[in-house]
Amino acid sequence: QQPVQSPQAVILREGEDAVINCSSSKALYSVHWYRQKHGEAPIFLMILLKGGEQKGHDKISASFNEKKQQSSLYLTASQLSYSGTYFCGTDQTGANNLFFGTGTRLTVIP
Amino acid sequence: ETGVTQTPRHLVMGMTNKKSLKCEQHLGHNAMYWYKQSAKKPLELMFVYSLEERVENNSVPSRFSPECPNSSHLFLHLHTLQPEDSALYLCASSQDRWQGGSYEQYFGPGTRLTVT
Repeated sequence: QQPVQSPQAVILREGEDAVINCSSSKALYSVHWYRQKHGEAPIFLMILLKGGEQKGHDKISASFNEKKQQSSLYLTASQLSYSGTYFCGTDQTGANNLFFGTGTRLTVIP
Repeated sequence: ETGVTQTPRHLVMGMTNKKSLKCEQHLGHNAMYWYKQSAKKPLELMFVYSLEERVENNSVPSRFSPECPNSSHLFLHLHTLQPEDSALYLCASSQDRWQGGSYEQYFGPGTRLTVT
């Protein structure tokens, strides 16, 4: 029931763009995105809901294709502070119970 | 204190010990969660509480026993653990549940547990 994330890891130079994908085998009510830096708590980034509504940061964008049960997180003009592991969490029932992917480790270098 | 706090941050325990992890949220939220984060594995949802009532137990072994005395505090009582239980245990809270999964979760920094 865990979603599959890709890529597993990516290295960017400052200013470059990246896309992280999250794919589920089940129909979804929502997709949540979090970032976790080493030794720190995961931080909420975005929620994408069935029907197109979104909640989250202005500087990060994401898409949710309900039919394909896929979501993508778009990181543009990356900054050093974007480094960390990105997780998607999928909600299959609408109850806020999340199944998380294995994460994508993003490293931004100067 | 703000957000979600967890104590202790690090814990080493033997397989015959009994210990407890504590989580406190200062956000006025109604739902609280325990997750297990092992190396190279996805975050695993363990338990969910809503208004102090346990609403989910995700097939967790009985050596893990949660307790939610009020909506601000959550405990995870540990006894006779196995080495494979070594992991980072994260607590989270959300304003509520349901509503199409639209409530973001706020995580604490976790307790790094090592079972020897």
